[in-house]
Amino acid sequence: AQSVTQLGSHVSVSEGALVLLRCNYSSSVPPYLFWYVQYPNQGLQLLLKYTSAATLVKGINGFEAEFKKSETSFHLTKPSAHMSDAAEYFCAVSGLNTGNQFYFGTGTSLTVIP
Amino acid sequence: NAGVTQTPKFQVLKTGQSMTLQCAQDMNHNSMYWYRQDPGMGLRLIYYSASEGTTDKGEVPNGYNVSRLNKREFSLRLESAAPSQTSVYFCAIHVGLMNTEAFFGQGTRLTVV
Repeated sequence: AQSVTQLGSHVSVSEGALVLLRCNYSSSVPPYLFWYVQYPNQGLQLLLKYTSAATLVKGINGFEAEFKKSETSFHLTKPSAHMSDAAEYFCAVSGLNTGNQFYFGTGTSLTVIP
Repeated sequence: NAGVTQTPKFQVLKTGQSMTLQCAQDMNHNSMYWYRQDPGMGLRLIYYSASEGTTDKGEVPNGYNVSRLNKREFSLRLESAAPSQTSVYFCAIHVGLMNTEAFFGQGTRLTVV
Protein backbone atom coordinates (compact mmCIF):
# COMPACT_ATOMS: atom_id res chain seq x y z
CA ALA A 1 0.00 0.00 0.00
CA GLN A 2 1.08 3.50 -0.74
CA SER A 3 1.97 5.73 2.20
CA VAL A 4 3.51 9.07 2.94
CA THR A 5 5.23 9.95 6.18
CA GLN A 6 5.89 13.47 7.30
CA LEU A 7 8.29 13.65 10.20
CA GLY A 8 7.39 16.35 12.66
CA SER A 9 3.83 17.56 12.96
CA HIS A 10 5.08 20.96 14.12
CA VAL A 11 8.23 22.78 13.04
CA SER A 12 9.36 26.19 14.28
CA VAL A 13 12.05 28.28 12.65
CA SER A 14 13.29 31.81 13.10
CA GLU A 15 12.66 34.33 10.38
CA GLY A 16 15.56 34.12 7.93
CA ALA A 17 16.52 30.58 8.94
CA LEU A 18 16.48 27.49 6.77
CA VAL A 19 13.17 25.68 6.44
CA LEU A 20 13.34 21.88 6.15
CA LEU A 21 10.15 19.81 6.11
CA ARG A 22 10.61 16.08 5.74
CA CYS A 23 8.63 13.65 3.63
CA ASN A 24 9.26 9.98 2.98
CA TYR A 25 7.17 7.74 0.79
CA SER A 26 6.79 4.03 0.31
CA SER A 27 6.50 2.80 -3.23
CA SER A 28 8.11 0.13 -5.34
CA VAL A 29 7.57 2.24 -8.42
CA PRO A 30 8.74 5.86 -8.55
CA PRO A 31 5.64 7.89 -7.89
CA TYR A 32 4.60 11.43 -8.54
CA LEU A 33 5.27 13.56 -5.48
CA PHE A 34 3.76 16.83 -4.39
CA TRP A 35 3.94 19.47 -1.72
CA TYR A 36 0.83 21.47 -0.95
CA VAL A 37 0.47 24.46 1.36
CA GLN A 38 -2.64 25.38 3.29
CA TYR A 39 -3.11 28.80 4.83
CA PRO A 40 -5.69 29.19 7.61
CA ASN A 41 -9.28 28.64 6.49
CA GLN A 42 -8.25 28.06 2.91
CA GLY A 43 -7.95 25.15 0.53
CA LEU A 44 -4.73 23.46 -0.51
CA GLN A 45 -2.46 25.16 -2.99
CA LEU A 46 0.21 23.37 -5.00
CA LEU A 47 3.75 24.40 -4.06
CA LEU A 48 5.66 22.06 -6.36
CA LYS A 49 5.57 18.61 -7.90
CA TYR A 50 7.90 15.90 -9.10
CA THR A 51 6.76 13.90 -12.12
CA SER A 52 9.90 11.98 -13.12
CA ALA A 53 11.75 14.84 -14.77
CA ALA A 54 14.47 16.78 -12.89
CA THR A 55 15.03 15.48 -9.37
CA LEU A 56 15.44 18.98 -7.95
CA VAL A 57 12.14 20.73 -8.26
CA LYS A 58 11.61 24.44 -7.75
CA GLY A 59 8.24 25.74 -6.68
CA ILE A 60 6.53 28.93 -5.77
CA ASN A 61 7.56 31.31 -2.99
CA GLY A 62 11.20 30.18 -3.06
CA PHE A 63 10.55 26.58 -2.03
CA GLU A 64 12.25 23.60 -3.58
CA ALA A 65 12.35 19.86 -3.04
CA GLU A 66 14.70 17.08 -4.09
CA PHE A 67 13.56 13.61 -5.06
CA LYS A 68 16.00 11.03 -3.70
CA LYS A 69 15.04 7.57 -4.84
CA SER A 70 17.70 5.85 -2.72
CA GLU A 71 16.27 7.45 0.40
CA THR A 72 12.61 7.42 -0.77
CA SER A 73 12.47 11.03 0.30
CA PHE A 74 11.10 14.30 -1.03
CA HIS A 75 12.04 16.90 1.56
CA LEU A 76 10.92 20.50 1.18
CA THR A 77 13.38 23.33 1.78
CA LYS A 78 13.59 27.09 1.66
CA PRO A 79 16.86 28.90 2.39
CA SER A 80 15.35 31.78 4.34
CA ALA A 81 12.00 31.65 6.12
CA HIS A 82 9.58 34.52 5.88
CA MET A 83 6.71 35.28 8.23
CA SER A 84 4.28 34.66 5.39
CA ASP A 85 5.50 31.03 5.17
CA ALA A 86 3.63 30.14 8.35
CA ALA A 87 1.09 27.54 7.23
CA GLU A 88 0.31 23.81 7.12
CA TYR A 89 2.29 21.81 4.57
CA PHE A 90 1.23 18.49 3.12
CA CYS A 91 3.28 16.00 1.17
CA ALA A 92 1.32 13.80 -1.24
CA VAL A 93 1.97 10.94 -3.63
CA SER A 94 0.14 9.62 -6.66
CA GLY A 95 0.94 7.50 -9.66
CA LEU A 96 0.53 4.07 -11.13
CA ASN A 97 0.95 2.34 -7.80
CA THR A 98 -1.90 4.31 -6.31
CA GLY A 99 -4.37 3.83 -9.15
CA ASN A 100 -3.75 7.53 -9.76
CA GLN A 101 -5.24 8.38 -6.38
CA PHE A 102 -3.61 10.96 -4.16
CA TYR A 103 -2.38 9.92 -0.74
CA PHE A 104 -1.53 12.67 1.71
CA GLY A 105 0.77 12.85 4.67
CA THR A 106 -0.57 14.01 8.00
CA GLY A 107 0.81 17.50 7.56
CA THR A 108 3.45 19.70 9.16
CA SER A 109 2.52 23.00 10.75
CA LEU A 110 5.26 25.58 10.20
CA THR A 111 5.65 28.44 12.66
CA VAL A 112 7.99 31.31 11.85
CA ILE A 113 9.34 33.18 14.84
CA PRO A 114 10.15 36.85 14.31
CA ASN B 1 -9.21 28.02 -5.98
CA ALA B 2 -8.68 27.23 -9.61
CA GLY B 3 -12.34 26.87 -10.62
CA VAL B 4 -13.61 24.53 -7.90
CA THR B 5 -16.47 26.00 -5.88
CA GLN B 6 -17.93 24.48 -2.74
CA THR B 7 -21.06 25.43 -0.85
CA PRO B 8 -21.70 26.04 1.94
CA LYS B 9 -18.49 27.25 3.58
CA PHE B 10 -19.71 26.59 7.11
CA GLN B 11 -22.47 24.42 8.54
CA VAL B 12 -23.60 23.28 11.96
CA LEU B 13 -25.84 20.23 12.13
CA LYS B 14 -27.53 18.37 14.93
CA THR B 15 -26.90 14.64 15.21
CA GLY B 16 -29.24 12.81 12.88
CA GLN B 17 -29.84 15.69 10.51
CA SER B 18 -29.05 15.36 6.83
CA MET B 19 -27.36 17.70 4.42
CA THR B 20 -25.74 17.85 1.02
CA LEU B 21 -22.40 19.49 0.28
CA GLN B 22 -22.21 20.89 -3.20
CA CYS B 23 -19.19 21.07 -5.49
CA ALA B 24 -18.97 22.52 -8.96
CA GLN B 25 -16.02 22.88 -11.29
CA ASP B 26 -15.64 25.00 -14.39
CA MET B 27 -12.46 23.35 -15.68
CA ASN B 28 -14.23 20.67 -17.73
CA HIS B 29 -12.35 17.79 -16.11
CA ASN B 30 -13.66 14.29 -15.76
CA SER B 31 -12.47 13.28 -12.31
CA MET B 32 -13.80 14.79 -9.09
CA TYR B 33 -13.05 13.87 -5.49
CA TRP B 34 -14.31 14.43 -1.96
CA TYR B 35 -11.84 14.45 0.92
CA ARG B 36 -12.17 15.07 4.61
CA GLN B 37 -9.44 16.74 6.64
CA ASP B 38 -9.02 16.00 10.33
CA PRO B 39 -6.27 17.21 12.68
CA GLY B 40 -3.23 14.96 12.59
CA MET B 41 -4.68 12.79 9.83
CA GLY B 42 -4.11 14.77 6.67
CA LEU B 43 -6.67 14.42 3.90
CA ARG B 44 -8.52 11.17 3.42
CA LEU B 45 -10.50 10.26 0.35
CA ILE B 46 -14.22 9.68 0.89
CA TYR B 47 -15.52 9.11 -2.64
CA TYR B 48 -14.48 9.93 -6.14
CA SER B 49 -15.94 10.05 -9.60
CA ALA B 50 -13.67 9.23 -12.51
CA SER B 51 -16.23 10.44 -15.01
CA GLU B 52 -19.84 11.48 -15.32
CA GLY B 53 -22.10 8.64 -14.27
CA THR B 54 -19.50 6.76 -12.22
CA THR B 55 -18.65 6.91 -8.53
CA ASP B 56 -16.33 4.83 -6.35
CA LYS B 57 -15.54 4.52 -2.68
CA GLY B 58 -12.37 5.91 -1.25
CA GLU B 59 -10.68 5.25 2.07
CA VAL B 60 -13.48 6.44 4.40
CA PRO B 61 -16.88 6.16 2.64
CA ASN B 62 -19.06 5.02 5.54
CA GLY B 63 -21.85 7.43 6.39
CA TYR B 64 -21.69 9.24 3.06
CA ASN B 65 -23.28 9.07 -0.37
CA VAL B 66 -22.37 10.92 -3.53
CA SER B 67 -23.99 11.94 -6.77
CA ARG B 68 -22.25 12.95 -9.96
CA LEU B 69 -25.08 15.04 -11.32
CA ASN B 70 -23.28 16.02 -14.51
CA LYS B 71 -19.72 16.74 -15.55
CA ARG B 72 -19.61 19.96 -13.53
CA GLU B 73 -21.19 18.90 -10.26
CA PHE B 74 -20.36 16.31 -7.62
CA SER B 75 -22.32 16.35 -4.37
CA LEU B 76 -21.66 14.67 -1.03
CA ARG B 77 -24.58 13.73 1.19
CA LEU B 78 -24.73 12.94 4.87
CA GLU B 79 -28.00 11.11 5.45
CA SER B 80 -27.79 11.04 9.25
CA ALA B 81 -24.98 13.19 10.57
CA ALA B 82 -22.86 12.00 13.48
CA PRO B 83 -20.35 13.91 15.63
CA SER B 84 -17.58 11.80 14.08
CA GLN B 85 -18.33 13.53 10.79
CA THR B 86 -17.26 16.89 12.19
CA SER B 87 -14.51 17.81 9.80
CA VAL B 88 -13.42 20.06 6.99
CA TYR B 89 -14.51 18.71 3.62
CA PHE B 90 -12.68 19.45 0.40
CA CYS B 91 -13.77 18.85 -3.13
CA ALA B 92 -11.01 18.48 -5.69
CA ILE B 93 -10.42 17.80 -9.33
CA HIS B 94 -7.43 15.85 -10.55
CA VAL B 95 -5.97 17.04 -13.81
CA GLY B 96 -3.21 16.19 -16.21
CA LEU B 97 -2.04 12.95 -17.69
CA MET B 98 -1.84 10.39 -14.91
CA ASN B 99 -3.55 12.86 -12.55
CA THR B 100 -0.42 14.88 -11.94
CA GLU B 101 -2.10 17.73 -10.14
CA ALA B 102 -5.07 18.32 -7.87
CA PHE B 103 -7.05 21.55 -7.55
CA PHE B 104 -9.04 22.06 -4.37
CA GLY B 105 -12.08 24.03 -3.39
CA GLN B 106 -12.00 26.32 -0.37
CA GLY B 107 -13.52 23.72 1.90
CA THR B 108 -16.68 23.27 3.96
CA ARG B 109 -16.26 23.36 7.71
CA LEU B 110 -18.92 21.07 9.19
CA THR B 111 -19.70 20.73 12.88
CA VAL B 112 -22.10 18.07 14.10
CA VAL B 113 -23.36 18.60 17.64
